[in-house]
Amino acid sequence: NAGVMQNPRHLVRRRGQEARLRCSPMKGHSHVYWYRQLPEEGLKFMVYLQKENIIDESGMPKERFSAEFPKEGPSILRIQQVVRGDSAAYFCASSPPVLQGYEQFFGPGTRLTVL
Amino acid sequence: AQTVTQSQPEMSVQEAETVTLSCTYDTSESDYYLFWYKQPPSRQMILVIRQEAYKQQNATENRFSVNFQKAAKSFSLKISDSQLGDAAMYFCAYFSTSGTYKYIFGTGTRLKVLA
Repeated sequence: NAGVMQNPRHLVRRRGQEARLRCSPMKGHSHVYWYRQLPEEGLKFMVYLQKENIIDESGMPKERFSAEFPKEGPSILRIQQVVRGDSAAYFCASSPPVLQGYEQFFGPGTRLTVL
Repeated sequence: AQTVTQSQPEMSVQEAETVTLSCTYDTSESDYYLFWYKQPPSRQMILVIRQEAYKQQNATENRFSVNFQKAAKSFSLKISDSQLGDAAMYFCAYFSTSGTYKYIFGTGTRLKVLA
């Protein structure tokens, strides 16, 4: 059973460009979470999605950031008009519909660098 | 709002020795989960151990054990017989079972293992 997959692993963007980060959850998992890790810090929750629904986006910046988890295909975290402060590692995690032990399974992360 | 505090930015331990990493948290809830995650240089988040708040017995996973003091809101991780492969960042995380479905992470402790 493949784990959570994220691509790209590394993404370089210039200021003002768009960044699209993809996350494919584990097979059978319908819950996806996005976290952001700034250098030398812990992970901070951004958004929680189920298929076609945003459940909790309380950690998402109000502007430029959006997330989706369509019926088919991966979850996408989209950052428009990136700025240097967006440089971070972005982690996706997934969990099954029935939360056994509340464990979330993490992907390897996407490291975004904004020049 | 819940908070998680890891007061030790960095710890060192001699190979084969025992080390304890500290974590305190603040919450008004009575039911929750606590986790320790390991993040090696690859940045992959790996679950080390999990504790359910309503269980008084401390969780144990091979060389890893916790000291869970619910009244004191303390959740420390003990690593016995430390190995070089234990070198990593360790994050303590709080998970509310009341429906927020997100981890709240501490800022991490970098563990160095000396040969």
